[in-house]
Amino acid sequence: KAGVTQTPRYLIKTRGQQVTLSCSPISGHRSVSWYQQTPGQGLQFLFEYFSETQRNKGNFPGRFSGRQFSNSRSEMNVSTLELGDSALYLCASSLLAGGRNEQFFGPGTRLTVL
Amino acid sequence: AQSVTQLGSHVSVSEGALVLLRCNYSSSVPPYLFWYVQYPNQGLQLLLKYTSAATLVKGINGFEAEFKKSETSFHLTKPSAHMSDAAEYFCAVISGGGADGLTFGKGTHLIIQP
Repeated sequence: KAGVTQTPRYLIKTRGQQVTLSCSPISGHRSVSWYQQTPGQGLQFLFEYFSETQRNKGNFPGRFSGRQFSNSRSEMNVSTLELGDSALYLCASSLLAGGRNEQFFGPGTRLTVL
Repeated sequence: AQSVTQLGSHVSVSEGALVLLRCNYSSSVPPYLFWYVQYPNQGLQLLLKYTSAATLVKGINGFEAEFKKSETSFHLTKPSAHMSDAAEYFCAVISGGGADGLTFGKGTHLIIQP
């Protein structure tokens, strides 16, 4: 069974631009969660989608948004990029929602904001 | 609110020696606890999880962890370290309905000395 895939793997943007990251979950998984990983703040929960609905959201500004499609693939968007948005963005999928089920992580998208 | 504290950002052990990575949690309700490992340029891989069944949890690659409610701890151990164990290890907690997603500790970088 194929794992969680994230595209692109690496991305370089400049301040003020916007970016869209994509995540394809494991086949059959309906929940997709997004996390931001930085050296300073560590791993932080962004949001979770289940059956095309945002179920939970972490403490991030409204510039961070996401969506989920009917095939469970998910995208996250960051608008008006800031230098502090440089991070590894990880996507995780699980069969059910709520986080108590095992989450399978993708390799991440490394975003650099110049 | 839930939180995780990992004592020691770096732990160094000799090959063949005992590995002990410490994790203490804070949760207002019975938690689910996880240990993840991250190798360079990769996503997170689940090592093991505690879900209120047995207090001693066995995971992959010879790791295990013991849930101690009285100490609010979930330390990770491995009897004999191998060079391939060198990686970043994260303890995570989720409680309640999982509205806050997984809350991760800051991580512990495990160094294996030959």
